[in-house]
Amino acid sequence: SQKIEQNSEALNIQEGKTATLTCNYTNYSPAYLQWYRQDPGRGPVFLLLIRENEKEKRKERLKVTFDTTLKQSLFHITASQPADSATYLCALPPGGYGQNFVFGPGTRLSVLP
Amino acid sequence: EAQVTQNPRYLITVTGKKLTVTCSQNMNHEYMSWYRQDPGLGLRQIYYSMNVEVTDKGDVPEGYKVSRKEKRNFPLILESPSPNQTSLYFCASSRRQGNEKLFFGSGTQLSVL
Repeated sequence: SQKIEQNSEALNIQEGKTATLTCNYTNYSPAYLQWYRQDPGRGPVFLLLIRENEKEKRKERLKVTFDTTLKQSLFHITASQPADSATYLCALPPGGYGQNFVFGPGTRLSVLP
Repeated sequence: EAQVTQNPRYLITVTGKKLTVTCSQNMNHEYMSWYRQDPGLGLRQIYYSMNVEVTDKGDVPEGYKVSRKEKRNFPLILESPSPNQTSLYFCASSRRQGNEKLFFGSGTQLSVL
């Protein structure tokens, strides 16, 4: 079954810097990959979806890349702000009918003022 | 406003006392799902439903029941709760299974004493 690793459990960066989070997966290559943000005690919120034929996707200060050869996605937050502090999850779609989304364990990002 | 509504937000109960956590979505989504989230284990799917009257087990279904009598509602039932079911629970929905972003509820923090 699909397994996801995210680079580190926690990442601390200084305000204004670029945060880079990593998502690595095993087994099959999905048709797309999603990133979610989760604040403490709240449900995940969808941020971005990138398809296998897209190398890069941007949304405001967010940028996602998808390398199917490396089986890796990178999630960047440029000009980071303390309000960006949260846990970020990557998720892969089901590999087939009836299967589930697979979520990574998440990376807890803290942006220090 | 498009949303997934879960109730209650917090619940403390005792072993063996049946409980129901409600979930309702107002987006006419076909797909609904229940997850539990535990420290170090991430999000794990309990049950899902592809449409009305269609439900199936996820990765950790033991001790739980669900029903999908109407499209908008997907209650989670614990017939005889046990302490190992203490967890943070999320309901989620999407337009269809497997090809769409998930919308999550705000979560239900359950403690079974």
